[in-house]
Amino acid sequence: GNSVTQMEGPVTLSEEAFLTINCTYTATGYPSLFWYVQYPGEGLQLLLKATKADDKGSNKGFEATYRKETTSFHLEKGSVQVSDSAVYFCALSDRNGNQFYFGTGTSLTVIP
Amino acid sequence: EAGVAQSPRYKIIEKRQSVAFWCNPISGHATLYWYQQILGQGPKLLIQFQNNGVVDDSQLPKDRFSAERLKGVDSTLKIQPAKLEDSAVYLCASSLGGSPSYNEQFFGPGTRLTVL
Repeated sequence: GNSVTQMEGPVTLSEEAFLTINCTYTATGYPSLFWYVQYPGEGLQLLLKATKADDKGSNKGFEATYRKETTSFHLEKGSVQVSDSAVYFCALSDRNGNQFYFGTGTSLTVIP
Repeated sequence: EAGVAQSPRYKIIEKRQSVAFWCNPISGHATLYWYQQILGQGPKLLIQFQNNGVVDDSQLPKDRFSAERLKGVDSTLKIQPAKLEDSAVYLCASSLGGSPSYNEQFFGPGTRLTVL
């Protein structure tokens, strides 16, 4: 079946540090992959996505590349800010969009 | 543009009671999703509607959970009777339709349910 496994947190970084949050997936066929973010007190929102192998999604300085050979979609940012403190969820959907699976979430805290 | 609205925001009930949650999606969004998010876990999709038809409800515990989307707009999710393990945040999301690969899901603020 389909599933997503992401790096457990919490993660604490200093401002301007490099961020990596690991995400691997198991899926039949060719899923689409997503990163969602939940800022404190706010609802889930889409951060970036990739719909096919080797695609790179990017937004707000965050990037993730769809790696079919390693079944991974790791989230990276070169220099985090305090405002990036949030919970990050990796997710996938099947090609038809009829099923959607989230990882358990990784809490990130960035300290000044 | 108004976002996805949900009510109530919080609900506390005793086990074996019934509860209902309401969701009003973004205007014009054909697809509506209900998720259950237990503390410390990611959201789990319970049911997906396309207009007023069910696309997928494979993870909905049908012995106690039901959902409807009359007229293809608002939706209600009901639990009857509630169990302790139903304590969670219930999220509603909507999208224009079709695959989420191409149409972003927009999430509401959620309803936090506590079952005592």
